[in-house]
Amino acid sequence: QSALTQPPSASGSPGQSVTISCTGTSSDVGGYNYVSWYQQHPGKAPKLMIYEVSKRPSGVPDRFSGSKSGNTASLTVSGLQAEDEADYYCSSYAGSNNLYVFGTGTKVTVL
Amino acid sequence: EVQLVESGGGLVQPGRSLRLSCAASGFTFDDYAMHWVRQAPGKGLEWVSGISWNSGSIGYADSVKGRFTISRDNAKNSLYLQMNSLRAEDTALYYCAKEALMVQGVGFDYWGQGTLVTVSS
Repeated sequence: QSALTQPPSASGSPGQSVTISCTGTSSDVGGYNYVSWYQQHPGKAPKLMIYEVSKRPSGVPDRFSGSKSGNTASLTVSGLQAEDEADYYCSSYAGSNNLYVFGTGTKVTVL
Repeated sequence: EVQLVESGGGLVQPGRSLRLSCAASGFTFDDYAMHWVRQAPGKGLEWVSGISWNSGSIGYADSVKGRFTISRDNAKNSLYLQMNSLRAEDTALYYCAKEALMVQGVGFDYWGQGTLVTVSS
């Protein structure tokens, strides 16, 4: 159960796009189409932004999109806004017995 | 409105036990798997344990296997985490989280606000 690998930080100016990668193995990210992404503002609980690789829950802006290729998933935030500044975590299902693994987290800064 | 309210956290000495509870409301509790996720101070998220809707499937992170026990009471809309042999590295904010769909593996669409567990002598 090793954590998925994310870059520690990413940044962009308002209106620009930022993409965050999430690298796992064939036992998690590469093995299932069950990658999810969470946004967490300081002192707040995480919020689900993407599930099943690319699906957005109701209420999440379409500026947020997800994709996957092999053992690496990605989250893209287009048209960056100030309120997008937060920590972002990926997560993947990793098999039976309800095994999940989270990513190491990426701090997104809006310049 | 979905609500998850954790309780039971506190300061505990190493080697002692603690039981966390999560009271759920606003959805059909026994339709969904439930999970515990923790976050050490200033650190990232770590999945701790999960339980299927009928308690038939249970999983644990390697870091807590053999020490923590997850359970649920569907009649009381409640989720529990019995934590034994606590260690300093178990110090974290513990979140209760709901599976997003009636299929395991999708992710967590609702989270509580967390209950803080501090393990220290």
